[in-house]
Amino acid sequence: AQSVTQLGSHVSVSEGALVLLRCNYSSSVPPYLFWYVQYPNQGLQLLLKYTSAATLVKGINGFEAEFKKSETSFHLTKPSAHMSDAAEYFCAVSDKARGYQKVTFGTGTKLQVIP
Amino acid sequence: DTAVSQTPKYLVTQMGNDKSIKCEQNLGHDTMYWYKQDSKKFLKIMFSYNNKELIINETVPNRFSPKSPDKAHLNLHINSLELGDSAVYFCASSPDGPTTFIYGYTFGSGTRLTVV
Repeated sequence: AQSVTQLGSHVSVSEGALVLLRCNYSSSVPPYLFWYVQYPNQGLQLLLKYTSAATLVKGINGFEAEFKKSETSFHLTKPSAHMSDAAEYFCAVSDKARGYQKVTFGTGTKLQVIP
Repeated sequence: DTAVSQTPKYLVTQMGNDKSIKCEQNLGHDTMYWYKQDSKKFLKIMFSYNNKELIINETVPNRFSPKSPDKAHLNLHINSLELGDSAVYFCASSPDGPTTFIYGYTFGSGTRLTVV
C-alpha cells in the first residue's frame, strides 16, 4: 500500500530564507507525486506535480521539487521565502490500487514565515 | 466563474439531523470526489464518481450517501449526523479518469460542518 510521510508538521523560516519541506513516499509502482498548498479557510491548490517526465519539477509561486527515486523522496523547495508563502503544504502520491488510481495525502506541513 | 463551488460554506447542525452539501464544477471534468479533512488536517477520500458512476467508495458509514445527477454535480447527503462528523468536507474534480491521475485535482473551498 502506498503511503506518504511529511517530516515536520511545523516549519518556520525567516523571510528571504530557503524553504525546504520534506516528503517521502512508499509505493509498489512508479508513482505520480504532487504538492498542494492550502491557505487558511480555502481549498487545496495544486503547486506542482511529477508524472514521470523531468525529475526536477517547477511549479507556481517559485516552488520546485525534485523526484529522487533512490531516496523515495519528493522534497519541496523555494530559494527565498515570502510572507505570502505562509500556509499548509500537502504532499500526495497516486498509484493504482484495486484497478483504479488512488491518491494518498500526507499529514501536511504548516509553514510559518517570520518577518 | 468559480471552477468548483460548494454550498454551504458553513453548516452548524444538531446531532441526529440530516443535511446535504452541494458541489458543482464548470470545468467539464469527468471525475468528481468528496474528501473529509479532520481537525488535524488529515485528508481522506470518501467517494469518487466518473461520469455519474460511483468509482471509489471508501470505508465510510452508510449514513453518507453521494448522488451525482450529472457529471457536473456531486452532492453529499448525511443522515443522522454525529459529533464525529464535524470536519471540513471538500469537493474536487479532475479531468482524469478512474485509471489515470496525471492532472491532479481542482478543489472547492470546503464546507465546514459542525455538529453540536
